[in-house]
Amino acid sequence: DIQMTQSPSSLSASVGDRVTITCQASQDISKYLSWYQQKPGKAPKVLIYDASNLETGVPSRFSGSGSGTDFIFTISSLQPEDIATYYCQHYDNIPFTFGPGTKVDIK
Amino acid sequence: QLLLQESGPGLVKPSETLSLTCTVSGGSISGTSYYWAWIRQPPGKGLEWIGYIYPSGITDYSPSLKSRVTISVDSSENQFSLTLSSVTAADTAVYFCARNSGYDHTFDFWGQGTLVTVSS
Repeated sequence: DIQMTQSPSSLSASVGDRVTITCQASQDISKYLSWYQQKPGKAPKVLIYDASNLETGVPSRFSGSGSGTDFIFTISSLQPEDIATYYCQHYDNIPFTFGPGTKVDIK
Repeated sequence: QLLLQESGPGLVKPSETLSLTCTVSGGSISGTSYYWAWIRQPPGKGLEWIGYIYPSGITDYSPSLKSRVTISVDSSENQFSLTLSSVTAADTAVYFCARNSGYDHTFDFWGQGTLVTVSS
């Protein structure tokens, strides 16, 4: 199985700050990575697919980059409604696996 | 708008079988290019993909659960189901059903999730 790691596990930032989360795969997954946002008590919501493509309807302050084993997720200007846990997930092969998550809150 | 809704018992005894159904509305489960998935999340923990099924009945499962999992589809009812046998406390989780798009491979629609507790 491909293992996904994320850092940091949690962060606090101020409204308007730039927030960056990294995700690393245990082997080359090309561009086959998605990012999800999960708010407490809710189902995850897809934000980014193919490492850098923004899902329809997702605000442009969210972005992703990377390929191979190293990926970055960025919120360019943190908003109060962005408080959530963010997960990366690969789909290079079966089984799909998720990263452990990064909890983002407001300082 | 596609809606998915999980249903099933919230409490299952150890060693018994967990059974959940996902009812899809607002669209057909028989459409091509979509897979229908189960994903779970233990309380306070991360997400685990369990498996998925294509409308034709082709399935893929997580190797760690494969010996205990069956996913089936009932196109006439626009539903798909999960059974997980020989459950233990480690199977306590919120279980989500979701659609996996064959176009961009995202889980683009999700049910609200249902908590299943394994306890005697």
